[in-house]
Amino acid sequence: EAQVTQNPRYLITVTGKKLTVTCSQNMNHEYMSWYRQDPGLGLRQIYYSMNVEVTDKGDVPEGYKVSRKEKRNFPLILESPSPNQTSLYFCASSSFSGSRRATEAFFGQGTRLTVV
Amino acid sequence: QQQVKQSPQSLIVQKGGIPIINCAYENTAFDYFPWYQQFPGKGPALLIAIRPDVSEKKEGRFTISFNKSAKQFSLHIMDSQPGDSATYFCAARRAGNQFYFGTGTSLTVIP
Repeated sequence: EAQVTQNPRYLITVTGKKLTVTCSQNMNHEYMSWYRQDPGLGLRQIYYSMNVEVTDKGDVPEGYKVSRKEKRNFPLILESPSPNQTSLYFCASSSFSGSRRATEAFFGQGTRLTVV
Repeated sequence: QQQVKQSPQSLIVQKGGIPIINCAYENTAFDYFPWYQQFPGKGPALLIAIRPDVSEKKEGRFTISFNKSAKQFSLHIMDSQPGDSATYFCAARRAGNQFYFGTGTSLTVIP
């Protein structure tokens, strides 16, 4: 089954304690991205990756890091989490249409992060 | 600043009605406009998408209308059903593969 898998689904942590949210896809997609979803704000793109070792900032990258060492994995790293990073996070992946355009077709189930 | 403005925030219709959700944008560099459906506890699911050289696209009961000159696009759900009750998001892609989403519309279809 084609899927994007995020772990963990739920996480409560304390301010300043480094954490990693993993994301893995089994569709051999080149494009992967991370979003945060907040009430009233919709989804906002944090980072995206067009290929292994290629990452770019989205709309709200501050306080986050990503890496893309393998095609299937795209972990999101919060090196020093703060309460304003409490949110619902989604990983997404897609293949490219013509001219290397992503279609953002598949989303994971989400990770609910609470930073206290 | 919200790059894609979505309205209404919430919508209630009777079964069989045609809910319409509207989105507007300013950035002419956007070249792809998808819509997503999200159920509670789930990730968004791609529903239908359109490119700006097309004025309308239909897939089953879902239709996107696109007005390039007005920089507006909308989702119509024909013969709506209680199972369509969900949150709907419009989005826009910039040429560099950066995506911007609307703030979402919570749709309730009453039996």
